[in-house]
Amino acid sequence: GDSVTQMEGPVTLSEEAFLTINCTYTATGYPSLFWYVQYPGEGLQLLLKATKADDKGSNKGFEATYRKETTSFHLEKGSVQVSDSAVYFCALTLLSNDYKLSFGAGTTVTVRA
Amino acid sequence: AAGVIQSPRHLIKEKRETATLKCYPIPRHDTVYWYQQGPGQDPQFLISFYEKMQSDKGSIPDRFSAQQFSDYHSELNMSSLELGDSALYFCASRTLAGGPPRDTQYFGPGTRLTVL
Repeated sequence: GDSVTQMEGPVTLSEEAFLTINCTYTATGYPSLFWYVQYPGEGLQLLLKATKADDKGSNKGFEATYRKETTSFHLEKGSVQVSDSAVYFCALTLLSNDYKLSFGAGTTVTVRA
Repeated sequence: AAGVIQSPRHLIKEKRETATLKCYPIPRHDTVYWYQQGPGQDPQFLISFYEKMQSDKGSIPDRFSAQQFSDYHSELNMSSLELGDSALYFCASRTLAGGPPRDTQYFGPGTRLTVL
């Protein structure tokens, strides 16, 4: 079935460090790919998305590129802040699945001052 | 911009009681999804509705039921609650019509259900 695998956490970084969270997917069709972020005690917020190969999604300094050849959608940020501390979920949707979201397990990121 | 509204935000129930969670999608969104997120887990799809008809069903227990009404709001009804039902329940909406891309869901803040 369709699934998402993302690197396990927790990840602890210092402010201004470089962040990478790996995400790979398995899908029977051509999925749309997403990163959602969940801040402590809050709901899910869409961070960025990409809908076709080589698309780059970006938002708030975060970037991810849809790589069809490696079935990956790694999240990166060049200089993290304490306010980036959250749980990050990689997810996919497919038209064939009525666009319901399949999430990865989530990666907890803690940024220390 | 208007967002997805969920109520209540917090709910405490005893075992074997019933609970009703409500979701009000973004205006003009015609599709609603329900997800359950257990502690430390990723959200799991429960059920979805399009134009007031159930469109897909995931790992939703038989004790749960849901519907979408004529104004597009949705309710998740949970009966014979068990301790394991304690979780964060999210509603998300999207639209097949114009506006945001059809493949993007927008989430509400969630309802935190605690079963004692």
